Amino acid sequence: GQNIDQPTEMTATEGAIVQINCTYQTSGFNGLFWYQQHAGEAPTFLSYNVLDGLEEKGRFSSFLSRSKGYSYLLLKELQMKDSASYLCAVRDRNAGNMLTFGGGTRLMVKP
Amino acid sequence: EAGVTQFPSHSVIEKGQTVTLRCDPISGHDNLYWYRRVMGKEIKFLLHFVKESKQDESGMPNNRFLAERTGGTYSTLKVQPAELEDSGVYFCASSANRVMNTEAFFGQGTRLTVV
Repeated sequence: GQNIDQPTEMTATEGAIVQINCTYQTSGFNGLFWYQQHAGEAPTFLSYNVLDGLEEKGRFSSFLSRSKGYSYLLLKELQMKDSASYLCAVRDRNAGNMLTFGGGTRLMVKP
Repeated sequence: EAGVTQFPSHSVIEKGQTVTLRCDPISGHDNLYWYRRVMGKEIKFLLHFVKESKQDESGMPNNRFLAERTGGTYSTLKVQPAELEDSGVYFCASSANRVMNTEAFFGQGTRLTVV
């Protein structure tokens, strides 16, 4: 089975930097995804990591350490519109390569 | 290009009734996935179609759930009879590649409430 943990809620200030952590346990790791989901909307793809290290994409970066079963999503220069849920999902080749999601982290950005 | 669309966006039904959810994937995407998020829990995989064939239905909770994808285009997910614990948000996703990767796109979901 798989176990994916991420904080339930986080609060940060507009303009600041926030790091959302995700830890996972899986037997056949084959990639980790971060999705953003605004209330009532579709989850939208943010990032994908399959090798160790940092992937940077504008204000968003994602880091992966396979040996530690750990990832984080880093959001810089926070904007009010970044208030959303952030979903960590792991793909496991021993589970048909389907995505298994964490419970999501609800981020509230305050002025 | 239209994204993944789901209908209805919301549905409220009584316990014991039947509900059918529909998903229209992105045109040309052979792979279609259903996921569900029960309140307070994580999004969970239900099943995967490749064209009209069920590739993996290991996540389907029980035989009250029936998914079809006749013709390999849109898909329906029928719940019959609905129970209270079926309430949640049902997401559909599609991808061109068999292995879900960066090209997977989600619909906005159908919020099902069983009362």
